[in-house]
Amino acid sequence: TQLLEQSPQFLSIQEGENLTVYCNSSSVFSSLQWYRQEPGEGPVLLVTVVTGGEVKKLKRLTFQFGDARKDSSLHITAAQPGDTGLYLCADTSGTYKYIFGTGTRLKVLA
Amino acid sequence: GAVVSQHPSWVICKSGTSVKIECRSLDFQATTMFWYRQFPKQSLMLMATSNEGSKATYEQGVEKDKFLINHASLTLSTLTVTSAHPEDSSFYICSARDAGGLETQYFGPGTRLLVL
Repeated sequence: TQLLEQSPQFLSIQEGENLTVYCNSSSVFSSLQWYRQEPGEGPVLLVTVVTGGEVKKLKRLTFQFGDARKDSSLHITAAQPGDTGLYLCADTSGTYKYIFGTGTRLKVLA
Repeated sequence: GAVVSQHPSWVICKSGTSVKIECRSLDFQATTMFWYRQFPKQSLMLMATSNEGSKATYEQGVEKDKFLINHASLTLSTLTVTSAHPEDSSFYICSARDAGGLETQYFGPGTRLLVL
């Protein structure tokens, strides 16, 4: 069974600081997605990466996919309170069944 | 973008009663829907895969007689928590896969269940 470990588990930072969240898989990703979930809501897709070494940018968010397709990172520049939430990585596992990571809970203080 | 709705958004019930949660794809057809459970401050755990017109497939450790799933149409799946107990209190989230062939799943807003 594939396991997705995210680190750190919790992160509390001041507005304007930078941060990086990591996702490591016990096996090669089929297709990696990053989500953000706010309390009481469903997860919202941020990005999908498929190719090893791929880098995608979404405003202040930069997503990197490891060359071996077993790890990924999410870097946020100049974090804002609106970035607060639970960040989840997920793999489709090739069977349409999504496997979610353990999650990183981010709190950005104003 | 594609929209998935859930109803109700939250429900409180007494122990021993059954609760039905609906998941609807509003602007696309979904041959496959998925049900997840999320405990406080934890990640999403897949409970079952709901296939239109056939029986649901349950993940290991999920009681199929406890969590009844019906996917009677291409836009609706229901999850019924039978004889609910306090330990069933959780956040239940569904997702729907576009029958158009894309792998993207669209998530609903979730249903919070509190069993007293």
